[in-house]
Amino acid sequence: KNQVEQSPQSLIILEGKNCTLQCNYTVSPFSNLRWYKQDTGRGPVSLTIMTFSENTKSNGRYTATLDADTKQSSLHITASQLSDSASYICVVSARNNAGNMLTFGGGTRLMVKP
Amino acid sequence: DTAVSQTPKYLVTQMGNDKSIKCEQNLGHDTMYWYKQDSKKFLKIMFSYNNKELIINETVPNRFSPKSPDKAHLNLHINSLELGDSAVYFCASSQGANRGNEQFFGPGTRLTVL
Repeated sequence: KNQVEQSPQSLIILEGKNCTLQCNYTVSPFSNLRWYKQDTGRGPVSLTIMTFSENTKSNGRYTATLDADTKQSSLHITASQLSDSASYICVVSARNNAGNMLTFGGGTRLMVKP
Repeated sequence: DTAVSQTPKYLVTQMGNDKSIKCEQNLGHDTMYWYKQDSKKFLKIMFSYNNKELIINETVPNRFSPKSPDKAHLNLHINSLELGDSAVYFCASSQGANRGNEQFFGPGTRLTVL
C-alpha cells in the first residue's frame, strides 16, 4: 500500500533558526516528490519537485533532498522567518497506467516564534 | 487576477440540504480536481476532470456530483449533506492529466454541516 509519512507532526522554532522536516514514503513505482506549503486558511503551494535522479534542490531558503534508495526526503528551512509558519505537505507521485497516483502525507505544522 | 478561485469561502448548512461549490481557474489549464481536507489535515483527491471529461472518481459517495461546463470551471454539488461531509474542500488545476504535474490550488471552501 502506498504511504507517505511525515515527521515531526508539529514543530515550534524561534525566528532565525534552521529546521528540517522529514518525509518517508513507500510509494512505487516512484515518479516524483513535491513539497507543498499550506498557509492557514489557504490552499497548498508547490515549493519544489524532486525527480528520481535529483538529490537536492533549492528554492530560496528552502532546500529539499531526496534519497531514492531509502525512500526518504527532507525539507530544510534556513534562517526561518515568521512567514514560514505553515503546514508543509509531502506529496509522492507513482506511475500507473491511469496516469500517476498521488499520495499525500499528513503534513508538518511549523510555527516560527519571534 | 486570482489563478484558482472558489465560492463560497465558508458554507454552513443543515443536514439533509443540497449545496454547491463553484470553482474557476484562469490559468488556461485543461485538468481540474476536487480535494477534501479533513480535520486531521489529510488531503484526499475526490475527482479529476481533463478537458471536461471525468478521469478520476475515487470512492466518493454518489451524493457528490461534479460538473464541468467548460475547461475553466469545475463545480461540486452535494446532495443530502451529512455531518461527516464537514471539511475544507479544495479545487485545483494543472496542465495535462498527469497528476504528478504541479497543481495550483484554490483558497478552499470550509463546509460545516450542522
